[in-house]
Amino acid sequence: GQQLNQSPQSMFIQEGEDVSMNCTSSSIFNTWLWYKQDPGEGPVLLIALYKAGELTSNGRLTAQFGITRKDSFLNISASIPSDVGIYFCAGQSGGSNYKLTFGKGTLLTVNP
Amino acid sequence: EAEVAQSPRYKITEKSQAVAFWCDPISGHATLYWYRQILGQGPELLVQFQDESVVDDSQLPKDRFSAERLKGVDSTLKIQPAELGDSAMYLCASSPGTPVFRANVLTFGAGSRLTVL
Repeated sequence: GQQLNQSPQSMFIQEGEDVSMNCTSSSIFNTWLWYKQDPGEGPVLLIALYKAGELTSNGRLTAQFGITRKDSFLNISASIPSDVGIYFCAGQSGGSNYKLTFGKGTLLTVNP
Repeated sequence: EAEVAQSPRYKITEKSQAVAFWCDPISGHATLYWYRQILGQGPELLVQFQDESVVDDSQLPKDRFSAERLKGVDSTLKIQPAELGDSAMYLCASSPGTPVFRANVLTFGAGSRLTVL
């Protein structure tokens, strides 16, 4: 089945630094989604990407849909303490079945 | 803002007991999903409903897990009997499921944390 490799597994950064994380797939996806999950809560959508090459921003977050359709990147600029959490990439193959395949997540810790 | 409601938030049970989780999706969302998330992992799909019909339950351990969405609105996920390895977060999500903008974007509930002793 499809597998997503998300890296890095964890990051420890200082407040104000920029962050980059990425996801690669063994298969092509038609949609990439990035979610953030706080401890004990469900994932919350950050950014949705629908076309290869698409670059989308949401405040300090920027994500890109890779040209090969097998990868995606998320960047966070000028990190703040509330950015702490687990970031998940998720891909959809398309069609009428909107099943999401998730990566294993990137744990982000921001030191104030 | 519309939310996906789940209950209970936390459940502690002994192995071999029965446990049930309830989910109320966003009003009007035709597609409902149950995901299981083991600590340190990403969510994995257990079952997907389109209205009241199951469209994907290939990863649902059917010997002990069952799910229903009788009227195409709220849904119940049951485990009987529970095993130690079932300890996880059970997440419900919904999406519009019809050809509208962002129809394929899933909104998740806060989850139900299960601990099996």
